[in-house]
Amino acid sequence: QSALTQPASVSGSPGQSITISCTGTSNDVGTYNLVSWYQQHPGKAPKLMIFDVSKRPSGVSNRFSGSKSGNTASLTISGLQAEDEAHYYCCSYAGSNWAFGGGTKLTVL
Amino acid sequence: EVQLVQSGAEVKKPGESLKISCKGSGYSFTTNWIGWVRQMPGKGLEWMGIIFPSDSETRYSPSFQGQVTISADKSISTVYLQWSSLQASDTAMYYCAVPTGAPSWGQGTLVTVSS
Repeated sequence: QSALTQPASVSGSPGQSITISCTGTSNDVGTYNLVSWYQQHPGKAPKLMIFDVSKRPSGVSNRFSGSKSGNTASLTISGLQAEDEAHYYCCSYAGSNWAFGGGTKLTVL
Repeated sequence: EVQLVQSGAEVKKPGESLKISCKGSGYSFTTNWIGWVRQMPGKGLEWMGIIFPSDSETRYSPSFQGQVTISADKSISTVYLQWSSLQASDTAMYYCAVPTGAPSWGQGTLVTVSS
């Protein structure tokens, strides 16, 4: 059982926007602005998409954005493209260690 | 630029020991936490534990406490993940990662344990 809760799957059509939630507690997401998001295509290493809740690394499309409200962080992908189809994982500092969400499979219809 | 370079793939038999490595460069190795992440075949990401190389303070996730050993040699900017007796269930991809700042990851080390 993962420390952070993500939906198992989400889907959207090209051009649409989708949001993936990541629900933790006051011991992790709710207290620390140290939430990151990773994209993983099959057979590939995870790729950092968002860090510190809402910061985008250089080279990551501005279609990807992150936010947080209370104990829930969110990743929003706008203007969905076929290449966005992948697994997405959230990660948060939890006071003495780090924790991942269980992952969300994004399907682009 | 932060770079984390991991040792190569390993194939081992159950009961054997193993130590894999991750060498950091391009940042202050001693003053940044660095850890290990496991990904079993077809499964999600799991934090195993982290170490602060300056004083070797180590924190393990409960599922991995007592199962593996994380260590660091700050003289060569290298962190290690070690097993004393591998099991088939240790078959996985292992990544080292610096989780703070703009997090950086190694390329991964595939460990296969099979008789």
